[in-house]
Amino acid sequence: NAGVMQNPRHLVRRRGQEARLRCSPMKGHSHVYWYRQLPEEGLKFMVYLQKENIIDESGMPKERFSAEFPKEGPSILRIQQVVRGDSAAYFCASSPGTGSQETQYFGPGTRLLVL
Amino acid sequence: SQQGEEDPQALSIQEGENATMNCSYKTSINNLQWYRQNSGRGLVHLILIRSNEREKHSGRLRVTLDTSKKSSSLLITASRAADTASYFCATGPGTALIFGKGTTLSVSS
Repeated sequence: NAGVMQNPRHLVRRRGQEARLRCSPMKGHSHVYWYRQLPEEGLKFMVYLQKENIIDESGMPKERFSAEFPKEGPSILRIQQVVRGDSAAYFCASSPGTGSQETQYFGPGTRLLVL
Repeated sequence: SQQGEEDPQALSIQEGENATMNCSYKTSINNLQWYRQNSGRGLVHLILIRSNEREKHSGRLRVTLDTSKKSSSLLITASRAADTASYFCATGPGTALIFGKGTTLSVSS
């Protein structure tokens, strides 16, 4: 049973470019969460999605960031016009969705570097 | 604001010793989870303790939860060099997990 998959594992972008981060949840999981980790920091929640629905985006910056989890395919975290401050590790987690605060299983992360 | 605050920030011990990490939180919870992160890697779920539980064991891990003090502890017994990692507690009032900055554990042989 494959775990949470994220790609790419490393992504380098120049300021002003777009970054697309992909997350495939564990088989049977319908809930996806995105977190960001700055150096020497803990993870910060960004957004929580179910298939075709954004449930909680209270941690998402108001501009340039968007997320989706289509009916088919992976969840996508999109960052437009990246700036150096977006450099971080972005982690996706998934859960079966049977209740609140259940165990979330994390992917290996995508490390974004903005030059 | 941070929900979970781990203490200490860093801990260095010798192989075979026990390591204890503490976590304090602010709001009411349904459960509290502990995760491990090796340098440059993703998070590995270690253990989940529910709010109506006081203690839970998993292998060399022992977790306690004191809801009256809003605190939890993670004990790793007979530590190994492979236990070197950062450890985070995570919980929250809702579905999204809120993490502290973690405790960095170094186990030397």
